[in-house]
Amino acid sequence: DAGVTQSPTHLIKTRGQHVTLRCSPISGHKSVSWYQQVLGQGPQFIFQYYEKEERGRGNFPDRFSARQFPNYSSELNVNALLLGDSALYLCASSLGGAGANVLTFGAGSRLTVL
Amino acid sequence: KQEVTQIPAALSVPEGENLVLNCSFTDSAIYNLQWFRQDPGKGLTSLLLIQSSQREQTSGRLNASLDKSSGRSTLYIAASQPGDSATYLCAVRPRYNNDMRFGAGTRLTVKP
Repeated sequence: DAGVTQSPTHLIKTRGQHVTLRCSPISGHKSVSWYQQVLGQGPQFIFQYYEKEERGRGNFPDRFSARQFPNYSSELNVNALLLGDSALYLCASSLGGAGANVLTFGAGSRLTVL
Repeated sequence: KQEVTQIPAALSVPEGENLVLNCSFTDSAIYNLQWFRQDPGKGLTSLLLIQSSQREQTSGRLNASLDKSSGRSTLYIAASQPGDSATYLCAVRPRYNNDMRFGAGTRLTVKP
């Protein structure tokens, strides 16, 4: 079975541009979460979606947005990119939305902002 | 606000040594605690998950303990191997969403 898949794996953007990152959860998983991992730090929670509704939001500016589609895949959008947005963006999926459900992480999308 | 700290930040040991990685958290109202492994530039691989009602979990050469009241967890690795070289992250989970709080990790190097 395929795990959590993310695309693209690497991308380079310039300041002020927009980026869209994509995530396909494990088949049967209805919850998708997004995390940002800056080099040398642990991941930080950005968003969680469950059954296409936002379930949680971390401390990120409104330039960050996300959505979940009927097939449970998800997109993370970041507008007006800043140098500080350079990071590994991780997607995780789980069966349900609550704490009892184990998260499975994808390999991530590495974003470099120049 | 939940804060998670991992000590040491980096650790280098010779092959075959037993070692302990430490994780502390400030708010004991957690749902579970999870240890992950991350290889350079890669995603996270779950190693062990301890529910708040449990004291420890074991998988092969790995043993994780949890003392919720003191806000501490340890990951014990027995008979370390060069293939264990990676960054180890601990994360605590609230009950109602996926806002897991991660430590900054311990970068482990096992020398042949």
